[in-house]
Amino acid sequence: QVQLQESGPGLVKPSQTLSLTCTVSGGSISSGSYYWSWIRQPAGKGLEWIGRIYTSGSTNYNPSLKSRVTISVDTSKNQFSLKLSSVTAADTAVYYCARDILILGAFDIWGQGTMVTVSS
Amino acid sequence: DIQMTQSPSSVSASVGDRVTITCRASQGISSWLAWYQQKPGKAPKLLIYAASSLQSGVPSRFSGSGSGTDFTLTISSLQPEDFATYYCQQANSFPTWTFGQGTKVEIK
Repeated sequence: QVQLQESGPGLVKPSQTLSLTCTVSGGSISSGSYYWSWIRQPAGKGLEWIGRIYTSGSTNYNPSLKSRVTISVDTSKNQFSLKLSSVTAADTAVYYCARDILILGAFDIWGQGTMVTVSS
Repeated sequence: DIQMTQSPSSVSASVGDRVTITCRASQGISSWLAWYQQKPGKAPKLLIYAASSLQSGVPSRFSGSGSGTDFTLTISSLQPEDFATYYCQQANSFPTWTFGQGTKVEIK
């Protein structure tokens, strides 16, 4: 079955760019039935959807983060990636990648999450 | 933007209790609503999609209802493994999805 796994640095300095990759296993990221999303959760707080990408490369971003976010896909590696620029302490959170069912808008498969701390 | 408001923020209940969580959308979202369960240190798990459809593998004691702006998640008989935080999520305002703030179900 499909599994998602986040990877990337756990510590990023303020003003730098946070970069994470999500590797999809057990299925193809090129399936036309899904979007591939990033979601984050600060410690003790709720969930915030960051953005998504379709296999074609088409993207949608949360308006509150749009100016700083880039999501890309590498179908040859079955991966999609997140870049968040100009980070501050407010970007410290657990970052999840998730599969977003195209016709439902629900996230049915999630990665385990990766903690990213923004600190000098 | 569509805002999602859950109530209560937390609820204390005993094993066997019936628990109901409410989610209200700031504008109508038809049936484009999902519910998730999250346990500490774990990723959320999809329970319900399209307001009332049970995700495969989820116990039948979980049910969802509602449409428009008002939705409920009901746990018919609370089990020890159900103590967790529950989130609603709207999927009507493409391309931006939003979550409720969460409801923590605690042991009484």
